[in-house]
Amino acid sequence: DSGVTQTPKHLITATGQRVTLRCSPRSGDLSVYWYQQSLDQGLQFLIQYYNGEERAKGNILERFSAQQFPDLHSELNLSSLELGDSALYFCASSVGGGGVYNEQFFGPGTRLTVL
Amino acid sequence: AQSVTQLGSHVSVSEGALVLLRCNYSSSVPPYLFWYVQYPNQGLQLLLKYTSAATLVKGINGFEAEFKKSETSFHLTKPSAHMSDAAEYFCAVSDFGGNYRRSQGNLIFGKGTKLSVKP
Repeated sequence: DSGVTQTPKHLITATGQRVTLRCSPRSGDLSVYWYQQSLDQGLQFLIQYYNGEERAKGNILERFSAQQFPDLHSELNLSSLELGDSALYFCASSVGGGGVYNEQFFGPGTRLTVL
Repeated sequence: AQSVTQLGSHVSVSEGALVLLRCNYSSSVPPYLFWYVQYPNQGLQLLLKYTSAATLVKGINGFEAEFKKSETSFHLTKPSAHMSDAAEYFCAVSDFGGNYRRSQGNLIFGKGTKLSVKP
C-alpha cells in the first residue's frame, strides 16, 4: 500500500459524458501527478500540481482539467468523453515538486471505460 | 529533452535464470533514472533509482541496475528469477522540461517490458 488513494476504482460511462476522478496523496506529500496508461500510448504524464498550483503540464487534452484543493487532494475532470479516453488513470504523489530526491508513490489507478 | 527506450516488450525466463531487462535513455542533462514494477491490476511500485551517486544501484526484491554513461543504458538485472517476479517493468527518466538545473518532477516512461517466468 503506497498511501495514495484513488476513487473510484472502476468507472463505466458513455461517449459525450463527463467524469471526475479523485486522488488523495500520501500524508505530507505536496505534489500530485496524473498519468494516463493506455495500450497504444503507454504511460503518459498529464499534469502536476504542487501545493495547490499547477506546476507542469504534459500531454493533457483541452477536454481534461485538474485541480488540487487546500487539503491537497486532487481531482481530474474528463469531459466530452470519447472511446479513445478509455484507459487506466494513475495518480502519484511526492513530497517536493521536483529535484533529485523526488520519489513518486503511485495509487492503484482508476480504470475508465467509455462505451 | 529526455526519453527512454525499452528493448523487448516481452521477456520470458525460466525460474532460477538470470533476468535482464534493457533500458536506454536519451538526455541532454545528467539523467535521474528509475525502474518501476507493475503487478496485474495494481499501481506502480518503485524498484530502484539512479540519482548520480553510485553507478550500480541496488533495489528491492534482489533487483539491481547499472548506469553506463558511455552506453546510455540503465539495464535491470536479477541473478535468479522467481515466479513472483512475473510483472510488467517500466524504465523512467525524470523530466527536466526546459530547466537544465532541476527536474520538474514528472516522469517520462518507456513502453514497458512484460516479464514471464516459467517453472
